[in-house]
This record gives sequence, structure tokens and C-alpha cells, in this order.
Amino acid sequence: DQQVKQNSPSLSVQEGRISILNCDYTNSMFDYFLWYKKYPAEGPTFLISISSIKDKNEDGRFTVFLNKSAKHLSLHIVPSQPGDSAVYFCAAGGPNAGNMLTFGGGTRLMVKP
Amino acid sequence: GAGVSQSPRYKVAKRGQDVALRCDPISGHVSLFWYQQALGQGPEFLTYFQNEAQLDKSGLPSDRFFAERPEGSVSTLKIQRTQQEDSAVYLCASSLWGVSGANVLTFGAGSRLTVL
Repeated sequence: DQQVKQNSPSLSVQEGRISILNCDYTNSMFDYFLWYKKYPAEGPTFLISISSIKDKNEDGRFTVFLNKSAKHLSLHIVPSQPGDSAVYFCAAGGPNAGNMLTFGGGTRLMVKP
Repeated sequence: GAGVSQSPRYKVAKRGQDVALRCDPISGHVSLFWYQQALGQGPEFLTYFQNEAQLDKSGLPSDRFFAERPEGSVSTLKIQRTQQEDSAVYLCASSLWGVSGANVLTFGAGSRLTVL
């Protein structure tokens, strides 16, 4: 029973264009959501988060959108840069959802120069 | 240290051997988590400590897996009688306090275990 799903295992975009990574969840007890970025042979690093009371959070080139009714969130990167090429993990958590972060399976983003 | 440190980075074990993986969290971080990441998948929760107390071990896949954090800082994940399905990257993460709010976990680079 996957509570957090990333249905696209990979995504390829051209440098300068927008990258959109998607994530769906099933547990309505989640009240905050995070995106992590992972390079090979390194641990995941925190990128951006959003609380369930908001529908958008922006940090520079990165924006996360949350649609609670659809149980869907997305990460927009604009403009995409070759250094953004990595695996992106969506994660969700909350004190009423087991007191840990639950991760999706990841999406590998490739930004072509 | 500045980040979460894990050792060894790579471990090859013969099936049936016991292994111990170490995690040094960020100094002062109360919460410590262990995750297992199989190839091509996302991290899966194993266990969670708040200081020295193991508050949740619901993700440990079998009684061959054991974790401890006796003094509330360094943690060790022990796997007894390793099996091939235990091959994975074991990630340790810590956070300043608890799990409420935007719980930003800081991860270590992981320990890659290969069981032959």
C-alpha cells in the first residue's frame, strides 16, 4: 500500500524550460509535504516544503503546489538547469501519520544543455 | 560535525554474517531515523528515536534487524544473519526536534550493503 506515489520514473527537459514533477498521496492525515533531491552516492537533500494549510510555496526557481482535494502536489523548476539533473523524491508526514516521513519512489530528472 | 555521518559507506557481507552500521547525527539533534532504500525505489522507514528512546520500530522488516541509540546521539543499526534481500542503501537522518511542523530531515550519505 503505497501512500505516496510518483508515477513518472523519469523526465527529460531542455535547459531553460520548465520541469514539472508530480506526486500523489492517499493518506489524508498528512499535513506537510516535502521535496528532496538526490545525487548519486549522496543522501537526499531537502529542497522545499509546504504545509497543508497552503496551496503554494515558492523559493527561487522552485515552486511547490498542493491540491488537497485531489491529494496531489507538484514541483515546478523554472528555468531548469543541467545541475538540476538528479532524482527527486516527494515525501509526506504529520504527527497523526505515524511520526515519520513517507517517501515516493522518485523521479529522475534529466536537464539537457 | 556539520552533517550526518554514516559508516561504513560500503559493506559487502556473506549471507549469514552479522553487520553493524553506524550513524553520527548532527550534534544536538533529538530525532534520529533509519531508512532502507532498495535499488530504484524511494527510502522506506525502518525506525525512529527521540533521544535514546526508540519510539517507533514498525518498519523493521524482521527480528533480524535491531537498532539502538544508547546515549541519545550515535546510533547503530544491526542486521543479524544477513540475507540477499537485505542488500540496499541504509540511510540515517536526524532532525532538531520531534516530528511536528515541517520536519526537515537531514540525511547522511548512506551505507550501501551488498549481501552475497
